[in-house]
Amino acid sequence: SAVISQKPSRDICQRGTSLTIQCQVDSQVTMMFWYRQQPGQSLTLIATANQGSEATYESGFVIDKFPISRPNLTFSTLTVSNMSPEDSSIYLCSVYRDRDTGELFFGEGSRLTVL
Amino acid sequence: GQSLEQPSEVTAVEGAIVQINCTYQTSGFYGLSWYQQHDGGAPTFLSYNGLDGLEETGRFSSFLSRSDSYGYLLLQELQMKDSASYFCAVMGGGFKTIFGAGTRLFVKA
Repeated sequence: SAVISQKPSRDICQRGTSLTIQCQVDSQVTMMFWYRQQPGQSLTLIATANQGSEATYESGFVIDKFPISRPNLTFSTLTVSNMSPEDSSIYLCSVYRDRDTGELFFGEGSRLTVL
Repeated sequence: GQSLEQPSEVTAVEGAIVQINCTYQTSGFYGLSWYQQHDGGAPTFLSYNGLDGLEETGRFSSFLSRSDSYGYLLLQELQMKDSASYFCAVMGGGFKTIFGAGTRLFVKA
């Protein structure tokens, strides 16, 4: 079964700065997903990160704001750029534990507060 | 476009049975999943239906009707620890999983 480590677990950031979130998986996976969960809301898919190709962003999310790296099959980073208070959210990395069963496994999330 | 609809809130008493419905409209469909999330925690997988019918896992069951674009999660013998948010989610085109808005379940003694 997959184990996902996310760093940082939480941070308080100043408006206008950028923060990079790291996601490390203990097994090789093809697809990694980045979600955002604003307080009291559902999970919104930001992008799909595949190794060796550009990330695929969902409507409403752009690479300039949320650049993603995927240097290998076990690691990905998401940067939240030029942050504003509206970016205060939990950011979650996830992978399929078993795509045939549709089971997504999530990291513990990175809780960002932007002042 | 893609959309999933589920009730925002359900309240039930301990020991009771509760059903959370989900209707969906998506481009591409592989299956319907259900996730549980306690406050402050990450979502955890409960069940998946790729085909029509009922899947049972302990106290939880999930149902899917692809022709009706409808599914439900059934929780039996409710316990206080079942108080949480429950999300239906569709794995669709590109093997991406899109989540519904979530149903907040309150279990009362």
